[in-house]
Amino acid sequence: NAGVTQTPKFQVLKTGQSMTLQCAQDMNHEYMSWYRQDPGMGLRLIHYSVGAGITDQGEVPNGYNVSRSTTEDFPLRLLSAAPSQTSVYFCASSSGTQHNYQETQYFGPGTRLLVL
Amino acid sequence: GESVGLHLPTLSVQEGDNSIINCAYSNSASDYFIWYKQESGKGPQFIIDIRSNMDKRQGQRVTVLLNKTVKHLSLQIAATQPGDSAVYFCAEIQGDMRFGAGTRLTVKP
Repeated sequence: NAGVTQTPKFQVLKTGQSMTLQCAQDMNHEYMSWYRQDPGMGLRLIHYSVGAGITDQGEVPNGYNVSRSTTEDFPLRLLSAAPSQTSVYFCASSSGTQHNYQETQYFGPGTRLLVL
Repeated sequence: GESVGLHLPTLSVQEGDNSIINCAYSNSASDYFIWYKQESGKGPQFIIDIRSNMDKRQGQRVTVLLNKTVKHLSLQIAATQPGDSAVYFCAEIQGDMRFGAGTRLTVKP
């Protein structure tokens, strides 16, 4: 199993550009989520999904969209990038089926995004 | 302990010594806690968890202690090794999951 994979590893964008961060998992996990990690702060939940076709907002959803057309993939879209979105983005998955899951989350390696 | 801000708390230990990393959590109703390890340039990795009905749980070289009275969680690493150098952070769950900012552990050979 590859676990949770993310692409790209690094990305530089100009303000106003759009892009999609890819996330895939091969563990047949129902629950997937996106976090951002900023210096000196804990991970913050952007969006999550409890299964294919179902998505919901987390703590900091503004400026981001997600979709879950398959169990395996959970892309994160930045519609119009802003410098405040400069961060490291982590995708995670778990076998839990609820937002208040208690099963182990597996994290991807992260995508470092710089918005100029 | 952990704090929010630009600079993470740091802990420097000698190889072979024991390490204790602390975390103060915020929600007295949290019923599940996790410790994660994050190496430079990598995603967080699960280390150990504990439920609120326990006050101690042991894994391989790691022990988590939970003091609900003062809302405090600690991670003890026995015989710390250079490979343990990383940022360690706790997470509390009660409905939502909240993460601490972390403590940077440096192991000196």
